[in-house]
Amino acid sequence: EVQVVDSGGGLVQPGRSLRLSCTGSGFSFGDYAMIWVRQAPGKGLEWVAFIRRQTHGATTHYAASVRGRFIISRDDDKSVAYLQMNSLKTEDTAMYYCSRAGSNYDPGWYLFDPWGQGTLVTVSP
Amino acid sequence: QSVLSQPSSVSGTPGQSVTISCSGSSSNIGSNAIKWYQQFPGTAPKFLIYSHNDQPSGVRDRFSASRSGTSASLAISGLQSADEADYYCAAWDDSLNGWVFGGGTKVTVL
Repeated sequence: EVQVVDSGGGLVQPGRSLRLSCTGSGFSFGDYAMIWVRQAPGKGLEWVAFIRRQTHGATTHYAASVRGRFIISRDDDKSVAYLQMNSLKTEDTAMYYCSRAGSNYDPGWYLFDPWGQGTLVTVSP
Repeated sequence: QSVLSQPSSVSGTPGQSVTISCSGSSSNIGSNAIKWYQQFPGTAPKFLIYSHNDQPSGVRDRFSASRSGTSASLAISGLQSADEADYYCAAWDDSLNGWVFGGGTKVTVL
């Protein structure tokens, strides 16, 4: 079964850091770009960051709201993608979902399938 | 304010057909594949279907997706209570260099 599992969320104070993990199974992890998408309580979906596959340079892209504070990375040997979140703000409070994005270079073709179950990040004093 | 515009809610009776619209611009829907996601309360979104060109191209069970110009739509036929969920459209935006999502549409079966 193709699956991704998110972990690492929790309660953190503003200005602190947190690292999320996304573990893939049932597919060749290194052949896919991976993405993080978040959803604030009662709100819609917002993409956060994605990382291409190694053969596409493992290039990274970030939403403007997190650029300079968050870092996405991957360890294909462990089939894990990470989201290092620094200088957290209260507005970063959300459920964070990891997803297998796609295998193309062109992100316009990414389907985001499947999604992890989500890991909740709460930023509060 | 979402870049892609969706109605906040649509409703129908069992067996009816409903359509969810998604309006964008030339830099997103007009240029790239549109994806649709289904999300039940308290659960993660799930990829449902996608459409790319101007032909009806996405069909999955009772769900079909299409695009025309800078607008897209998701049609649900034979509406069932199990279809009650939030539905989101999404597309890559060439100008913003990132993905944009609709605000989500809640489908209610009366």
